Amino acid sequence: GDSVTQMEGPVTLSEEAFLTINCTYTATGYPSLFWYVQYPGEGLQLLLKATKADDKGSNKGFEATYRKETTSFHLEKGSVQVSDSAVYFCALSGNDMRFGAGTRLTVKP
Amino acid sequence: EAGVVQSPRYKIIEKKQPVAFWCNPISGHNTLYWYLQNLGQGPELLIRYENEEAVDDSQLPKDRFSAERLKGVDSTLKIQPAELGDSAVYLCASSLEANTGELFFGEGSRLTVL
Repeated sequence: GDSVTQMEGPVTLSEEAFLTINCTYTATGYPSLFWYVQYPGEGLQLLLKATKADDKGSNKGFEATYRKETTSFHLEKGSVQVSDSAVYFCALSGNDMRFGAGTRLTVKP
Repeated sequence: EAGVVQSPRYKIIEKKQPVAFWCNPISGHNTLYWYLQNLGQGPELLIRYENEEAVDDSQLPKDRFSAERLKGVDSTLKIQPAELGDSAVYLCASSLEANTGELFFGEGSRLTVL
């Protein structure tokens, strides 16, 4: 069945560092791909999405490109801030929604 | 606009006791989801409703779990009797349309079974 595998955490970075969180997927058909974020004490919220191959989703300085050839949807940000500290979930929407295990990011000042 | 509201936020019970969780989705959202989130894991779907109809409950352990969505708005998820392994966060989410992947989540209900 469909599945998502994402980079294990936790990830700790200094402010203004470059961020990459890897995500790969297995799916039949052509799913849409998502990154959700969960800030401390809050519910999961959609960060960005891409609905077809080569699409780039972006929001709040984060980007991810739907790569069909490598079945990947890696999350990147050029300069992280303390306020980006959260748990990030990669997800796909095929026959149903599948979430990765989450990657905890801590950004230190 | 009000988000998805869940209650209670926290619940501690002894094993074999019943427990119920309530969810009020975003107004106008016809699709409602209940997810289970274990510590360090991503959400796993328990059940999905389209209006009043449960269209995907294949992952709901029906021997002890039940859910309902009367009038196609609020929903309750019940566990009876609870087991130690049920300790987890129960998430409710809603979406305007099914299969868009754009879900709006509540803050979750954290259950501890002693």
